[in-house]
Amino acid sequence: GQQLNQSPQSMFIQEGEDVSMNCTSSSIFNTWLWYKQDPGEGPVLLIALYKAGELTSNGRLTAQFGITRKDSFLNISASIPSDVGIYFCAGTASIQGAQKLVFGQGTRLTINP
Amino acid sequence: DGGITQSPKYLFRKEGQNVTLSCEQNLNHDAMYWYRQDPGQGLRLIYYSQIVNDFQKGDIAEGYSVSREKKESFPLTVTSAQKNPTAFYLCASSIVWGQPQHFGDGTRLSIL
Repeated sequence: GQQLNQSPQSMFIQEGEDVSMNCTSSSIFNTWLWYKQDPGEGPVLLIALYKAGELTSNGRLTAQFGITRKDSFLNISASIPSDVGIYFCAGTASIQGAQKLVFGQGTRLTINP
Repeated sequence: DGGITQSPKYLFRKEGQNVTLSCEQNLNHDAMYWYRQDPGQGLRLIYYSQIVNDFQKGDIAEGYSVSREKKESFPLTVTSAQKNPTAFYLCASSIVWGQPQHFGDGTRLSIL
């Protein structure tokens, strides 16, 4: 079935650095979503992308829907301690005639003060 | 405030026992979902419901059951047939099927 390859699996950065992570697939997706999960809590939706080529920002976060519809990236500028957590990409695709949401494995972000 | 409420936050199950996890939403969303998350892993879909009184199996439905008798409620029962139930369970909802999902804060289930 459809799979999303999210990379990197983990990142260790200094406070103030910019962060970049991405998701790729061999399949075409209709929407791309980026979530952040704090320990012991549910994922929170950060950005939703609906059109190929779309570039959307939410504060220091910027995400893009790849033009081929097979990838997406998320950038975080000037990282701060509260950015620590696990970031998940997710995409919706038509599978056997139904829309299905597929999740990546997550990128764990650790920030050294 | 509108949102998704999962209870309890922590749950312990004895061997051979069924347990039910609660999920309630006041967002007036039609679609609801249950996911399982294991340490260091992504989310795997257990069951979903596109509309009240209807539900479908997800990717890992064996050993689980659900009901959708009310629009705002989608309880998940972890049965004794689920041999490895220890995990973090997440409930989500969306306005309609296929739209971005919003998650509750999860229930962590452990085996005694």
